[in-house]
Amino acid sequence: GAVVSQHPSRVICKSGTSVKIECRSLDFQATTMFWYRQFPKQSLMLMATSNEGSKATYEQGVEKDKFLINHASLTLSTLTVTSAHPEDSSFYICSARRTSGGADTQYFGPGTRLTVL
Amino acid sequence: QKEVEQNSGPLSVPEGAIASLNCTYSDRGSQSFFWYRQYSGKSPELIMFIYSNGDKEDGRFTAQLNKASQYVSLLIRDSQPSDSATYLCAVRKGYKYIFGTGTRLKVLA
Repeated sequence: GAVVSQHPSRVICKSGTSVKIECRSLDFQATTMFWYRQFPKQSLMLMATSNEGSKATYEQGVEKDKFLINHASLTLSTLTVTSAHPEDSSFYICSARRTSGGADTQYFGPGTRLTVL
Repeated sequence: QKEVEQNSGPLSVPEGAIASLNCTYSDRGSQSFFWYRQYSGKSPELIMFIYSNGDKEDGRFTAQLNKASQYVSLLIRDSQPSDSATYLCAVRKGYKYIFGTGTRLKVLA
């Protein structure tokens, strides 16, 4: 399978600070990446779709000014949680879309656990 | 009606048995279907995808798709305790995936 990395794996920060999470596709180019968040014992919630070279598309109810997404290259997307608050504490997972050989699949990064104090 | 539905479980099976996980979807035009496995505290890992009606086998895993009945299933043969996880069904809608809430599988040693 394809390899997607995510950094950092875990971050603890104070309320009001900003946190940047990086997502990289290591062995393929991804024009599209996705950002999800997952609360304990709940399913994945799509936050936004990140497209290389263009603005991200946010899902309804997700504040684009709070969750800044940049997809600067075909292998890197970043999510910045601005002015984080305790309610932003969650498991953030990125995925990269791979389209090759007639298949169109998503591969997930290992996730970032954010705790805001 | 949810777009992708799964029984939340837990589904408990003894070691060595066949685990059968089911998923139904509402959009009859859906073309691509995926099964992911998610261990507690970890991110989802792709197990299989299936596009055509019928069965697709990969090792101990078999995905089954029935578009007429709008269901997709995953069979795990010779279940092992290490298969204990939550299994997520996903259906592609355009460029997005719609995920079910997952079925928790427990394989009892």
